[in-house]
Amino acid sequence: GQQLNQSPQSMFIQEGEDVSMNCTSSSIFNTWLWYKQDPGEGPVLLIALYKAGELTSNGRLTAQFGITRKDSFLNISASIPSDVGIYFCAGQLRAGSYQLTFGKGTKLSVIP
Amino acid sequence: DAGITQSPRHKVTETGTPVTLRCHQTENHRYMYWYRQDPGHGLRLIHYSYGVKDTDKGEVSDGYSVSRSKTEDFLLTLESATSSQTSVYFCAISESGRGFLVGEQYFGPGTRLTVT
Repeated sequence: GQQLNQSPQSMFIQEGEDVSMNCTSSSIFNTWLWYKQDPGEGPVLLIALYKAGELTSNGRLTAQFGITRKDSFLNISASIPSDVGIYFCAGQLRAGSYQLTFGKGTKLSVIP
Repeated sequence: DAGITQSPRHKVTETGTPVTLRCHQTENHRYMYWYRQDPGHGLRLIHYSYGVKDTDKGEVSDGYSVSRSKTEDFLLTLESATSSQTSVYFCAISESGRGFLVGEQYFGPGTRLTVT
């Protein structure tokens, strides 16, 4: 099936630092979604993007839908300990498709 | 939080036994999904439903069946569980959004299934 390449796989940062992660694909996507998953829980939707070039913020989180429609970026500013978790990107390959393709996640650790 | 519950939350079963997992939603969303999550594979779609009694296969549907007799309930059945079906299973729901059928999917808390 279609693949989303999510990077980095893991990262350790100091509290207060900014974080960037991204997803890329060889295919064009219609929708990009970013989720966060805490241990033992289900993924929680953070941001949804629907248009190429779209830049959307949710508090300290900012995500962008790449102009080529083949990538998306998530930035977290001024990280705090509760940002720890696994962040997933997901994309809808075709308008009208019921299926989302998920990246394998970026595991974020924040050092107080 | 989206009103999604899954039951049971944990289950251990033996190879060859049938297992049914339940997803219940209180949001009246039209679309429901079953995913499995495994290390190294991320989330993969098993089956989905686009209405009562309307279901279709996802990426990894072999060995699984589903049923949806009411809007609020979506059942996932492993007819004869195998060790390869040990996984964490998530239910998700969505409604049409921004002109796209998938919309934004909201996940339940998950069921951890171990097949021995």
